Amino acid sequence: EVQLVQSGAEVKKPGESLRISCKGSGYSFTSYWISWVRQMPGKGLEWMGRIDPSDSYTNYSPSFQGHVTISADKSISTAYLQWSSLKASDIAMYYCARHRFPGYSGYQFDYWGQGTLVTVSS
Amino acid sequence: AIQMTQSPSSLSASVGDRVTITCRASQGIRNDLGWYQQKPGKAPKLLIYAASSLQSGVPSRFSGSGSGTDFTLTISSLQPEDFATYYCLQDYNYPGTFGQGTKVEIK
Repeated sequence: EVQLVQSGAEVKKPGESLRISCKGSGYSFTSYWISWVRQMPGKGLEWMGRIDPSDSYTNYSPSFQGHVTISADKSISTAYLQWSSLKASDIAMYYCARHRFPGYSGYQFDYWGQGTLVTVSS
Repeated sequence: AIQMTQSPSSLSASVGDRVTITCRASQGIRNDLGWYQQKPGKAPKLLIYAASSLQSGVPSRFSGSGSGTDFTLTISSLQPEDFATYYCLQDYNYPGTFGQGTKVEIK
């Protein structure tokens, strides 16, 4: 069974760093791109960026370029989303999602993680 | 970036109703569009890809149509479990962009 399991909810202070994770199982992790999607409270979905776990090539939405870093460790089938300095505007649910077929970098996602809620508060 | 505009933003419907949601792209995107369903507190779920192809395991009451700039998601007979928010997502070029969502509520 294909699963993407994300790390738990986080509460951080402004200016702190954070890394959240997304562990894939039940499939060949290096064969499928992974994307991250943001959902701010009560709002819609926004594509943030994607990674090819086979070589860690990444690509970001212009809206998120420079604000977050996506990485992956293929030895443990895990993708990451990290911030070096959180802001209150980063409060959101973050989802990882698997691209629909092997080697496909396009924007259709067949499996999703359960989401990680990030709260930033002083 | 391509803008995706959904309409309506919300609708009220009864069980058994036929429901139609539209998505318009700011430029032609061939048939490179998907539809997702999201229930409160849950991750989105892929329903339709390539504008009209039903994702495995999705009930046949869901269907998609369209190409170019105008697309439609139709639920032929609304069921209680279909009350949710629906999003389109263009897959034509970078960066992928979602519509703003359509909330389907119980009348």
